[in-house]
Amino acid sequence: TQLLEQSPQFLSIQEGENLTVYCNSSSVFSSLQWYRQEPGEGPVLLVTVVTGGEVKKLKRLTFQFGDARKDSSLHITAAQPGDTGLYLCAGGKAGTALIFGKGTTLSVSS
Amino acid sequence: IAGITQAPTSQILAAGRRMTLRCTQDMRHNAMYWYRQDLGLGLRLIHYSNTAGTTGKGEVPDGYSVSRANTDDFPLTLASAVPSQTSVYFCASSVRLAARDEQFFGPGTRLTVL
Repeated sequence: TQLLEQSPQFLSIQEGENLTVYCNSSSVFSSLQWYRQEPGEGPVLLVTVVTGGEVKKLKRLTFQFGDARKDSSLHITAAQPGDTGLYLCAGGKAGTALIFGKGTTLSVSS
Repeated sequence: IAGITQAPTSQILAAGRRMTLRCTQDMRHNAMYWYRQDLGLGLRLIHYSNTAGTTGKGEVPDGYSVSRANTDDFPLTLASAVPSQTSVYFCASSVRLAARDEQFFGPGTRLTVL
């Protein structure tokens, strides 16, 4: 079984702080996706990265795909209460369904 | 209908009963998926379908069956429910079974088996 390990599992911070969530694997993926899930809802895609070393920015969120395409990180600058939620990474390989990590639960308090 | 719908929203079921969770999408996506989400275990794939008429097993298929008679519908059946099947079930779809394709998720069904 190919595993995607996410860390930390839980993160509780104050508004305005910066944070980084990590997603690591021993397997090489052709793409890495990040989803965000709010309570009572299904996950929603934030970004897809496909090239080793690729960096994508979405407002205050910065996503990076590792050079070897085995790992990824999500960095949030100046976190806000609206960033609260479950962040899931998912690795993709050709012809197979996505493999999801167990997620990082982020709580941002004002 | 816009996107993916799931029914019922929640259900309490006696052990041993048969139950079908419904999933319908209106995006004409070829691929569809069923996941269960449990605290501490994340999203685990139960079954998937690459296109109408074909299905495949995921990570945790035992005790579940699926069918894909047409593009839009992908029901998940529990033939004889057991308490360990208590979970939140999510249906999802994507244009293709491709690594880069975005998966769109339904709102989920919360199932409790007593």
